[in-house]
Amino acid sequence: QVQLVESGGGVVQPGRSLRLSCAASGFTFSSYGMHWVRQAPGKGLEWVAVISYDGSNKYYADSVKGRFTISRDNSKNTLYLQMNSLRAEDTAVYYCAKTKRENGVGDAFDIWGQGTMVTVSS
Amino acid sequence: DIQMTQSPSSLSASVGDRVTITCQASQDISNYLNWYQQKPGKAPKLLIYDASNLETGVPSRFSGSGSGTDFTFTISSLQPEDIATYYCQQYDNLLPGTFGQGTKLEIK
Repeated sequence: QVQLVESGGGVVQPGRSLRLSCAASGFTFSSYGMHWVRQAPGKGLEWVAVISYDGSNKYYADSVKGRFTISRDNSKNTLYLQMNSLRAEDTAVYYCAKTKRENGVGDAFDIWGQGTMVTVSS
Repeated sequence: DIQMTQSPSSLSASVGDRVTITCQASQDISNYLNWYQQKPGKAPKLLIYDASNLETGVPSRFSGSGSGTDFTFTISSLQPEDIATYYCQQYDNLLPGTFGQGTKLEIK
């Protein structure tokens, strides 16, 4: 079935780096834009970044611009989020999500992963 | 940036009640508005896309309406399993988008 599985979360010190992965299955990964969305403990949803189906277009929330990099490997059906210069305020559950329509960037998110927790703390 | 104002922030209702949540955009977003349900400890689930389209498999008691800046999400007859937090989300073709602050729905 259509599935997204995140991995790579954990506890990291401020200023350090972490890379998240999102493994996709059950759909043609290379046809869909993919997003990262995060949720701080007890807070609402915050969109983080998006990458187009072919990796040619990437957009970021202002809160992570210059520190986070989204990428994808369509041969491995995997989405990534490289997070550098991490701050305490980056502590959150990070979800990957699929756009509903092919070739879309702005769109509804119809499939979500289960999330992976990132804790930034000394 | 487009801001989304969702209200109320919390809501208590009885089983069988009609429940309405609103979302207002700071500028015209046409029908580029989605609604999600999130249960505790779970990932969000898409319920309504493009303001009024019901996602496949979602019960018909859920509905959405609106365009431009003002949008409404309705549960026609509240069920116990509908207890969750609901979020609106705007998007456009270039920049996917901001979520509303969320509405926590509880059973009275």
